[in-house]
Amino acid sequence: DAGVTQSPTHLIKTRGQQVTLRCSPKSGHDTVSWYQQALGQGPQFIFQYYEEEERQRGNFPDRFSGHQFPNYSSELNVNALLLGDSALYLCASSRQNSNQPQHFGDGTRLSIL
Amino acid sequence: GQQLNQSPQSMFIQEGEDVSMNCTSSSIFNTWLWYKQDPGEGPVLLIALYKAGELTSNGRLTAQFGITRKDSFLNISASIPSDVGIYFCAGQLASWGKLQFGAGTQVVVTP
Repeated sequence: DAGVTQSPTHLIKTRGQQVTLRCSPKSGHDTVSWYQQALGQGPQFIFQYYEEEERQRGNFPDRFSGHQFPNYSSELNVNALLLGDSALYLCASSRQNSNQPQHFGDGTRLSIL
Repeated sequence: GQQLNQSPQSMFIQEGEDVSMNCTSSSIFNTWLWYKQDPGEGPVLLIALYKAGELTSNGRLTAQFGITRKDSFLNISASIPSDVGIYFCAGQLASWGKLQFGAGTQVVVTP
């Protein structure tokens, strides 16, 4: 039973570029949440997708956008990258209408040069 | 920014000692969660708490959901080298909603 998988594991971009990160949820999960974790800090909530729609959003600019596909997988897109976007991006999945907590993938390490 | 205050920031302990860390919030949560994160990996769930006053154990780990719903603590008994890592508390208001994390407690265990 595969857990949450994310790709790629590492990525290097330059300022102004755009990036797409991908996430496949744990089997049986239908909800995907994205978090940004800066070095030495706890994860910060970006947004959550359920039924292919953004349901909840954290305090992130609209340069951060996402998508959820019919198979529940999800993408996180970041446009006009800034140096401050360098972080570990974590995807977490969960199952709607259950008390099961969110399970995390191992993240994508994004470095902006 | 962070809304949860997690302390201590770091702990250096000897193998066999007990570890205690806590998390406080200015607002209430309906769920408290404790995760552990190892280098290069994502957070792994240790314990989930769903009811104010609840005390839950998972092996050598024990966690409690404060009765005010604004705090939680995690204890690790008889620490071993593999307990090394960063421990995060997280609060959740709606069962389906976002997690709000503390800044983490780094635990270092020396033999």
